[in-house]
Amino acid sequence: QMTQSPSTLSASVGDRVTITCRASQSVNNGLAWYHQTPGKAPKLLIYKASTLQTGVPSTFSGSGSGTEFTLTISGLQPDDFGTYYCQQYNIYPWTFGQGTKVEIK
Amino acid sequence: QVQLQESGPGLVRPLQTLSLTCTVSGDSISSGGHYWSWIRQHPGGGLEWIGYIYYSGNTYYNPSLRSRVTISVDTSKNQFSLMVTSVTAADTGVYYCARGGYEYFDYWGQGTQVTVYS
Repeated sequence: QMTQSPSTLSASVGDRVTITCRASQSVNNGLAWYHQTPGKAPKLLIYKASTLQTGVPSTFSGSGSGTEFTLTISGLQPDDFGTYYCQQYNIYPWTFGQGTKVEIK
Repeated sequence: QVQLQESGPGLVRPLQTLSLTCTVSGDSISSGGHYWSWIRQHPGGGLEWIGYIYYSGNTYYNPSLRSRVTISVDTSKNQFSLMVTSVTAADTGVYYCARGGYEYFDYWGQGTQVTVYS
């Protein structure tokens, strides 16, 4: 089971934002992050806990291993608002966190 | 550019079978380079991985749905399909097809809304 915190956060453009994802048991570094905006499919941002997907801005970074992971956005941009999900791919079946909604303050 | 497109009925009666097809362009399922998955998003936003198929026909299904789900592949059409039997209101949601499933999912379709209604 994957648990994200916070469930919702309010931030302004330019803010540094950190989202946490905790696993109920170790998933090693089998962790991905996605970003979803309303009416769109999730978009892969990071895999293997810290590897940036091609084309994703370097303002995004991921860290962690085992049971605790973080996604950091170093300077929030208007396109970054929406919901972020973590996903583990170490223990079948692959599962997602419940999501963190990033809103405009 | 890899693209996936879901197609199928948007309304399904309770206890009937939900059937969707995903058409892939920009990549070849038969190349064996990737697994191909179905994922659904419940009305509250939660994402649930349904399962994957490989070009050879090998599949994995989420235990939560295993008794009601079949994923199949048609490499000649570069498509893969999903069937969910005996649907209930709990099967209502947006259904996505995606490339991946061995690990993460790097390309997703736009999603299709499926509503179970009586």
